[in-house]
Amino acid sequence: GAVVSQHPSRVICKSGTSVKIECRSLDFQATTMFWYRQFPKQSLMLMATSNEGSKATYEQGVEKDKFLINHASLTLSTLTVTSAHPEDSSFYICSAARRESNTEAFFGQGTRLTVV
Amino acid sequence: AQKITQTQPGMFVQEKEAVTLDCTYDTSDPSYGLFWYKQPSSGEMIFLIYQGSYDQQNATEGRYSLNFQKARKSANLVISASQLGDSAMYFCAMRERDSSYKLIFGSGTRLLVRP
Repeated sequence: GAVVSQHPSRVICKSGTSVKIECRSLDFQATTMFWYRQFPKQSLMLMATSNEGSKATYEQGVEKDKFLINHASLTLSTLTVTSAHPEDSSFYICSAARRESNTEAFFGQGTRLTVV
Repeated sequence: AQKITQTQPGMFVQEKEAVTLDCTYDTSDPSYGLFWYKQPSSGEMIFLIYQGSYDQQNATEGRYSLNFQKARKSANLVISASQLGDSAMYFCAMRERDSSYKLIFGSGTRLLVRP
């Protein structure tokens, strides 16, 4: 099956710093990528939809200035958590949709962010 | 309103037995897809099975089958011959035709397989 690689898998940062998370589709072109956030023992909540070459579409309640999303190519999307605070600590996971298929959705391995 | 509802926060099953995980959904879109994912403690999302709204037959993938009852808007996952490695969180998700491929997830069910 198609592979989506997410990096880093774990990151610890200090309050006030920024953290960048990368999501790559390794063997297919992802016209659309999605960023989800998951708190412990909860479900995945969609944060934003990222389309190559255009601005991301954010879900209601998600601060676009805090969670910067860039989708510069058909294989790479990045999520930058700016001025991180402890409440931003969470599990972030990306998903990519292949242009040719709407019956599949491929996920990265996820990034566990801890802000201290 | 909740688009995807999973009413079982936790389930137990004896090894080698079958288990059904419930999922109901709400949509007015005639074209949609339903997904089931397994999430072990490592956090990765493992795709299990897909059912399209126009599919005539219930989807099956190995030990996984989907009991799709369109009129009831339910898409229950059946795992046959449970194994210890099946212990994990299970999420039901839906994608609607006009949703730009985004998935909306249910709250999940934690399955524990007893030896």
